[in-house]
Formats: sequence, structure tokens, C-alpha cells
Amino acid sequence: EPEVTQTPSHQVTQMGQEVILRCVPISNHLYFYWYRQILGQKVEFLVSFYNNEISEKSEIFDDQFSVERPDGSNFTLKIRSTKLEDSAMYFCASRGGPEAFFGQGTRLTVV
Amino acid sequence: TQLLEQSPQFLSIQEGENLTVYCNSSSVFSSLQWYRQEPGEGPVLLVTVVTGGEVKKLKRLTFQFGDARKDSSLHITAAQPGDTGLYLCAVINNYGQNFVFGPGTRLSVLP
Repeated sequence: EPEVTQTPSHQVTQMGQEVILRCVPISNHLYFYWYRQILGQKVEFLVSFYNNEISEKSEIFDDQFSVERPDGSNFTLKIRSTKLEDSAMYFCASRGGPEAFFGQGTRLTVV
Repeated sequence: TQLLEQSPQFLSIQEGENLTVYCNSSSVFSSLQWYRQEPGEGPVLLVTVVTGGEVKKLKRLTFQFGDARKDSSLHITAAQPGDTGLYLCAVINNYGQNFVFGPGTRLSVLP
């Protein structure tokens, strides 16, 4: 069964460093998303991506964040200069119809 | 204001009890999804409801879409500890691209 895969599963980084979180969406899907979930809190929307461009982004998705689909398969989230409050689970999702399918997430810890 | 409201926010019950959780909005949707999320994992799709008044069953879980397609309920019969998790409803927003979650109901089923 097709699935969304994310790497790495866990990343520890120092404050101020850049991180790139990687996602391989389901191959025939057209809509791609990144979400964030701080421990014990709700799933927060970051950004949606369609037709090779950002279609919508939240207030969380500031200039420190960027997304790319560099090679038609991978979908990446970059945080340029990480802050302690960026520590969270980051989930990638893709959608072909009404349902979105999620990866298992990357746990980002900023120290 | 949130597009989707979920109630209750937290629910703790004994094994064997029945429960219902709700997802409400003032907007009309073409479809609505329910997900379950366990700690440290991504949301897993349970069901999609499409037609007003539709009822879908998944073993001990019964999902209903409101007649006006603005709300939905999830009923669990004879809850088991394995049902413990965060239950999220989600929709595609009125702009057609963003995939929006409710804040979730955190269910704990005690043995």
C-alpha cells in the first residue's frame, strides 16, 4: 500500500543551525502539506504546496521556513535558523482526493 | 475562530463503556475525515464521510455525517484500552486546497 515516508525519524540540532526535513509523498498525489505538533498539543498547519508553489501558509511559517520539491518526488521543509520553540513533531502529508495521508513524522529537538 | 470545533476536549472512561465525540462547524463541507493519532505517530485515516446523513461503521466505531454536512459524530461501543488516542476530524477548507484539522478529542480508556 502506498505510504508517505519521512526522514529522519528524529533530529537533534543546536539552536541557530539549519535543518532539512524530508518527505516522499504518495506518487500520484498533487497536494502536499507540512504540519507541526508540539508535544501534547494540537496538530498545527504550516504550509500547503500545489503545482510547484505554496498555495497557503500559516502565521507560523515565517521567513525562517521554506519548502521545496526539488526532483518531483521529494518534498522538503527547511528551517534556516532553528529556535528552541521549533522543537516539535513535524508531519508531512499528501493528498490526491479528499483524504490526506500522513507520514510517521520527524521529531525535531532543538538544544 | 477555528473552522472546526471538537468536543469534548478530553475524555477518560472505563473499558466497556460507550462514548460519542463530536466535530462541529458553521460551514458546509463536501466531505469530512476522521483520524486517530497515537503518541509519537502520524494521524491515521479512519474514515471519510461524504453524503449528508451518511453512517459508516468500522468494527465498534460508528461515524455519522450531519444532514447539513456541517458536523459529524464518532460513537465507540464497548471501548477498549486500544482505542486510546487523539481523535481528529479534518476537512478541506472552502478554498479547496488546505487540509484543516479540528483541535481533537483526547480519549483515554482505562482497563
